[in-house]
Parts: sequence; structure tokens; C-alpha cells
Amino acid sequence: AQKVTQAQTEISVVEKEDVTLDCVYETRDTTYYLFWYKQPPSGELVFLIRRNSFDEQNEISGRYSWNFQKSTSSFNFTITASQVVDSAVYFCALWDSGNTPLVFGKGTRLSVIA
Amino acid sequence: NAGVTQTPKFRILKIGQSMTLQCTQDMNHNYMYWYRQDPGMGLKLIYYSVGAGITDKGEVPNGYNVSRSTTEDFPLRLELAAPSQTSVYFCASSYSPGLAGEQETQYFGPGTRLLVL
Repeated sequence: AQKVTQAQTEISVVEKEDVTLDCVYETRDTTYYLFWYKQPPSGELVFLIRRNSFDEQNEISGRYSWNFQKSTSSFNFTITASQVVDSAVYFCALWDSGNTPLVFGKGTRLSVIA
Repeated sequence: NAGVTQTPKFRILKIGQSMTLQCTQDMNHNYMYWYRQDPGMGLKLIYYSVGAGITDKGEVPNGYNVSRSTTEDFPLRLELAAPSQTSVYFCASSYSPGLAGEQETQYFGPGTRLLVL
């Protein structure tokens, strides 16, 4: 069965600090996709990244970076030089070819303090 | 391209009332989904649809019904509203080319906040 674990329920950092959000997944499939979504205080869900299981290259987009490691079944998300606007709940999600809907983790609430 | 739109944004219901949450997407996505998010919690899948005329239950379908008569619309019906249905409801859509092992990104609507008193 698929499962996504975000062990960090809440994280608080001071502005300009780097922060890493952990995501550990479980799947028996060899073909799967991993996603990160951001939910700011306004409530909408914003897509950040999609990565398939055959692409282990790390991704960098501005201050955001993602580290995909199949050996540890992890897809961690790092924000460099955090800003107050990064304050949000971040969800990691998994899809594998054995199941249609996404499986979401419970989310990590990030608070960036000025 | 409006993406995924939901109406209403907010609604208060009395116990036992019924209502329909509307969801429309203009991206020609074949897959559509309904989730609920309780305060401080993650997302739970209520129902989903892989195409017009086809729907399937998710994790928490009790108390809800759906239909999918067109590609664009996926309304969620609440019958006999209960306080336990107080939540934020998100509709989402995605495109699947039908190839094994292919899954495109799910895009979400802005949500409907429902309060049942």
C-alpha cells in the first residue's frame, strides 16, 4: 500500500535561515510520481513540483530545491534563505500506477518569523 | 484559462439541509476529484472520476454523492448535512493520457468553506 510520511508537523525558523521539509514515501511500484504542494494562509493549494521515479536528478528553482533519493525513499524539499512569504503548510504526495488518486502526507506547517 | 473554479466560496447550512458544491474546469482534463480538509488536517479524498459517466469512491464517501455528465463539471452533493461535514472542500482535476504509468499534475480549485450548524 502507498503511504506518505511527513514526520515534521510544525517547523519555525527565523527569516533567512535554510529549512528542509522531509518526505518519506512507500510504494511497491517501480513507476510512480512525487509531488509537492504549498498551501499558504489564504487556503489555496499551489503546485510546486512533480517528479517521476525514473528521474533522480535534484531540482532547483530559485530558493527552492528538491532532493529525490530512491535509496531512502525520500523526496525532501529545501528552502534557502527563507522569507516570511514562505510561511505555509507544505504537502508531499505520491501517485503510483497501481492507484488512481494521489496519496497525500499530513503536511508540514512552516512558520518563518521576521 | 480559468483553471478549476468552485462555487460557492462559503456556505452555512443547517443540520439536515442539502446542497450541491459546484466544480468546473476548462483544461479538458479527464480526471476530477473531490477532497475535504478538516481544520489543521491533511486532504482526504471523497470521490473521483476518470471521465464523463464514471465515478468512484475515495476514502470518505459517506454522506456525499457525485455525478459526471460532462468533462467540465463534477458537482458534489451533500444530502442531510451533519456537523461532521464542516470542512473545506477542494475540487481538483488532472489529465491522464491513458498510458500505463503516466500521471499528470493535479490542479486545485480555490475551495469551498462549509459550516454546518
